[in-house]
Amino acid sequence: SYELTQPPSVSVSPGQTARITCSGDALPKKYAYWYQQKSGQAPVLVIYEDSKRPSGIPERFSGSSSGTMATLTISGAQVEDEADYYCYSTDSSGNHGVFGGGTKLTVL
Amino acid sequence: QLQLQESGPGLVKPSETLSLTCTVSGGSISSSSYYWGWIRQPPGKGLEWIGSIYYSGSTYYNPSLKSRVTISVDTSKNQFSLKLSSVTAADTAVYYCARLHIVVVPAAIHYYMDVWGKGTTVTVSS
Repeated sequence: SYELTQPPSVSVSPGQTARITCSGDALPKKYAYWYQQKSGQAPVLVIYEDSKRPSGIPERFSGSSSGTMATLTISGAQVEDEADYYCYSTDSSGNHGVFGGGTKLTVL
Repeated sequence: QLQLQESGPGLVKPSETLSLTCTVSGGSISSSSYYWGWIRQPPGKGLEWIGSIYYSGSTYYNPSLKSRVTISVDTSKNQFSLKLSSVTAADTAVYYCARLHIVVVPAAIHYYMDVWGKGTTVTVSS
């Protein structure tokens, strides 16, 4: 079955840039999406179609994709950005969703 | 504003069938632009995509759960449902329902979750 791979954890100081990667063989042909999940809450979409930002998401969140790797970048990370981040995409058929294992972002 | 609300028993016995319903309000489940889906998250673990359904009844399931999962839709009630059979403790999780936005890209049609319910906790225990 198709898999997306993320680092388990990333740690930065407030104001620094955090980068979270997601690798998958189908990413050259499929968009990547990024979800933020804070403790006890439902996930929230922060990046869609590799690099687009939904309304209401701060400009410090950006996304990019090249080859088999997608990257979520948080420029000037804030303490309130501490959360688990999940990448999402679909398999080659486009019919089956797949999540990465999640990355815990620590900002302190 | 579209809202989704999960409902169903919070406790299920091992070997029995887990049944949940998602009620959609503020929009129609019969829209041609969306699928509707279920995602779960075991305690302390990551998200797992369970499956999806179109208002016509077309379904797709996670291959690892396919033999035990059934997703159905009731357009008259603006609801869709999840049934997971032969549950074990490993099926204990927060279950989320979500709207799946269809993206039409040449040779790459797919979907992603753009609106989520708040989730409901299901525990499998005798």
